[in-house]
Amino acid sequence: SYELTQPPSVSVSPGQTASITCSGDKLGDKSACWYQQKPGQSPVVVIYEDYKRPSGIPERFSGSNSGNTVTLTISGAQTVDEADYYCQAWDSSTAVFGTGTKVTVL
Amino acid sequence: QITLKESGPTLLKPTQTLTLTCTFSGFSLSTSGVGVGWVRQPPGKALEWLTLVYWNDDERYSPSLKSRLTITKDTSKNQAVLTMTNMDPMDTATYYCVHKDSSTWSFVYWGQGTLVTVSS
Repeated sequence: SYELTQPPSVSVSPGQTASITCSGDKLGDKSACWYQQKPGQSPVVVIYEDYKRPSGIPERFSGSNSGNTVTLTISGAQTVDEADYYCQAWDSSTAVFGTGTKVTVL
Repeated sequence: QITLKESGPTLLKPTQTLTLTCTFSGFSLSTSGVGVGWVRQPPGKALEWLTLVYWNDDERYSPSLKSRLTITKDTSKNQAVLTMTNMDPMDTATYYCVHKDSSTWSFVYWGQGTLVTVSS
């Protein structure tokens, strides 16, 4: 079955840039999205179709897709961005989530 | 305003069958492109997609769990029902109902989730 791999954790200082990668076979040929999940809450989509931001999501969140890797970038990270982040893509009309990355801002 | 809410048992014994109902509002499952599905998350672990049913009755299942899952929809009641057989303690998780948006190919709307514990 299709798998998406993320680093378990990423640390960033406030105001700096955090990059979270998600790797999968031929991921560049698929459309990916990213979810943010804070403790005790349901996930929220922050990026869809590789780079598009839903309304209400701050501009500091951006996405890119190249080759076998999609990347979520948080530019000027804030303490409120501390959360778990999951990538998600579609393979043969079935959804697949990444392994998840815990982002710490300190 | 789109909302989804999960309901069902919170405690099951091993080998029992789980039945969860997702009751939603703010959209119709008869609208082209729309889907409703389920995602679960064991405590402290990652999200796992389970299944999805589309407006046209097309059903999709996680390959690793396909033999144990069934999803049905009742458009008149605005509900989607998940059935998972032969429950095991490893199936202990928060189960989320999700709305698949027809234009973004993402799960924009999520229910609050319901914790299901499997224990003897």
